Amino acid sequence: AQSVSQHNHHVILSEAASLELGCNYSYGGTVNLFWYVQYPGQHLQLLLKYFSGDPLVKGIKGFEAEFIKSKFSFNLRKPSVQWSDTAEYFCAVDYKAAGNKLTFGGGTRVLVKP
Amino acid sequence: EAGVTQSPTHLIKTRGQQATLRCSPISGHTSVYWYQQALGLGLQFLLWYDEGEERNRGNFPPRFSGRQFPNYSSELNVNALELEDSALYLCASSFGGENQPQHFGDGTRLSIL
Repeated sequence: AQSVSQHNHHVILSEAASLELGCNYSYGGTVNLFWYVQYPGQHLQLLLKYFSGDPLVKGIKGFEAEFIKSKFSFNLRKPSVQWSDTAEYFCAVDYKAAGNKLTFGGGTRVLVKP
Repeated sequence: EAGVTQSPTHLIKTRGQQATLRCSPISGHTSVYWYQQALGLGLQFLLWYDEGEERNRGNFPPRFSGRQFPNYSSELNVNALELEDSALYLCASSFGGENQPQHFGDGTRLSIL
């Protein structure tokens, strides 16, 4: 069965620290990859996406992610976090053979201390 | 640009009743998706509608059904409600075709008493 794993359930860090969130997915052929963010009290928002091409993708708010095909990974990074980055982050995979449905990881809650 | 809108925000039902949840996609989007976010189970895909047709279905029983109207809005119907149906139901929309990111609404919180 197709599955997506996010390694950390909770991350606590201070402002200006670097952030890296892991995401691994099970093999399932060609994939599209996404990171979504949910700020407190808000809906899920698209942070960045990978469809093809350059495996290093840049998203909004200074986030980037790297697709490593051999490792089935799509890790999210930000060099210097701000208090406003406090949110829950979800990795999602669109297994193209499965027909436009997103398989989500369990999410990682990130708390940035001012 | 208005985002995906869902109604109602909250819905309280009792076991055995039926629930109807509604979703209006972003203007120009023809695909609508439904997801369930139940406590401890994460986000799970329910249904995908495109151009009025059901295109894909997740691993849910037939009492979860829906439809998409000519204006691309959608309804999710849940019949014979069970306690474990209590969850946040999220609707997402996208442009039609492949390689289109999905954009999510705020969700409907369904509580079964």
